[in-house]
Amino acid sequence: DAGITQSPRHKVTETGTPVTLRCHQTENHRYMYWYRQDPGHGLRLIHYSYGVKDTDKGEVSDGYSVSRSKTEDFLLTLESATSSQTSVYFCAIRSHREGETQYFGPGTRLLVL
Amino acid sequence: GNSVTQMEGPVTLSEEAFLTINCTYTATGYPSLFWYVQYPGEGLQLLLKATKADDKGSNKGFEATYRKETTSFHLEKGSVQVSDSAVYFCARKGGSEKLVFGKGTKLTVNP
Repeated sequence: DAGITQSPRHKVTETGTPVTLRCHQTENHRYMYWYRQDPGHGLRLIHYSYGVKDTDKGEVSDGYSVSRSKTEDFLLTLESATSSQTSVYFCAIRSHREGETQYFGPGTRLLVL
Repeated sequence: GNSVTQMEGPVTLSEEAFLTINCTYTATGYPSLFWYVQYPGEGLQLLLKATKADDKGSNKGFEATYRKETTSFHLEKGSVQVSDSAVYFCARKGGSEKLVFGKGTKLTVNP
């Protein structure tokens, strides 16, 4: 358990509305990641952060933005949700004790109608 | 390119059967390799890893050996249980502290 929580765990929203997902960690890890999981695609990286206010894009960043104003929180925002963003979203941290290993949160299931 | 290819599922086995899930990767050099498991309704959990060639990762009866000659990291278990039913993901370390994942293989073990 790497002390990662995600909120909300489930959300239903309508097309065009903004949505923010929160990832919270309690162990002061520097690196945090947002992935989406879709059938047939596995996990795809959306954005990641390597420190407070330091973020970079992943392979599927279009339509998403992130913010990291403090070490423990990494926010993912869908500025205007679309049905193609219906997915399960996972946050992860890279363990500073175990080098390259990433540990995952429980996920947020998002449905965009 | 930098990618991970794992066998497509779903895989269905009877309890106590032998399991192999194939995974191959492309990379420059010898990246660390991982297997993650995802039980229904949960996030991914690290199952095992290997950080250099010829290393063997093992956990909960699962094993995988880092084979640089064949760029493979196949997951094996000698006798599966119903509780092993899950989705298994192979991954390799990518650039900039990222992981590159395969698409996952769903395993169902029947009693």
